[in-house]
Amino acid sequence: GNSVTQMEGPVTLSEEAFLTINCTYTATGYPSLFWYVQYPGEGLQLLLKATKADDKGSNKGFEATYRKETTSFHLEKGSVQVSDSAVYFCALSPYNTDKLIFGTGTRLQVFP
Amino acid sequence: EAQVTQNPRYLITVTGKKLTVTCSQNMNHEYMSWYRQDPGLGLRQIYYSMNVEVTDKGDVPEGYKVSRKEKRNFPLILESPSPNQTSLYFCASSLSTASLPYEQYFGPGTRLTVT
Repeated sequence: GNSVTQMEGPVTLSEEAFLTINCTYTATGYPSLFWYVQYPGEGLQLLLKATKADDKGSNKGFEATYRKETTSFHLEKGSVQVSDSAVYFCALSPYNTDKLIFGTGTRLQVFP
Repeated sequence: EAQVTQNPRYLITVTGKKLTVTCSQNMNHEYMSWYRQDPGLGLRQIYYSMNVEVTDKGDVPEGYKVSRKEKRNFPLILESPSPNQTSLYFCASSLSTASLPYEQYFGPGTRLTVT
């Protein structure tokens, strides 16, 4: 079946530190991959996506590369800010569907 | 402003008292979906709708009903709520092409407590 596994949090970093949040997936066929972000008290927002192998999604300084050989979609940012503190969800959409399957979420806390 | 709205945002109720959480989108999206978010479990899909009068079960549909009589509205109905339905609920919508998945837009969430 389809599933997403992401690292447990919380991830605690100082401002300007490098961020990696690991995400691996299991899927049949060729899914699309997403990172969504949830700021405190809000709904989820799309952060970035990739629809085929070797695609790199990027937005707001965050990046993730669709790696089919390792079934991974790790989220990275070179220099985090306090305003990046949020919960980050990795998700996949099986090929030819609108369905989203989410990981359990990783809370990021950035301190000045 | 393009948005998904949900009401109410917070609700405390008692076991067995029927309730409805409304969801409305103003983006003319075909696809709408309900999720529940629980600690350690992420978001799980309850029901979804591909278009008006077309609904289907997600991964955790037990205890819930939905309807899609108009394109913009997708209410979630709990006929007889139980404490295990205490959760944070999100409605989402998107254009539906299947072959190239579009971004899903999420509402602000409804925090439901069933005592």
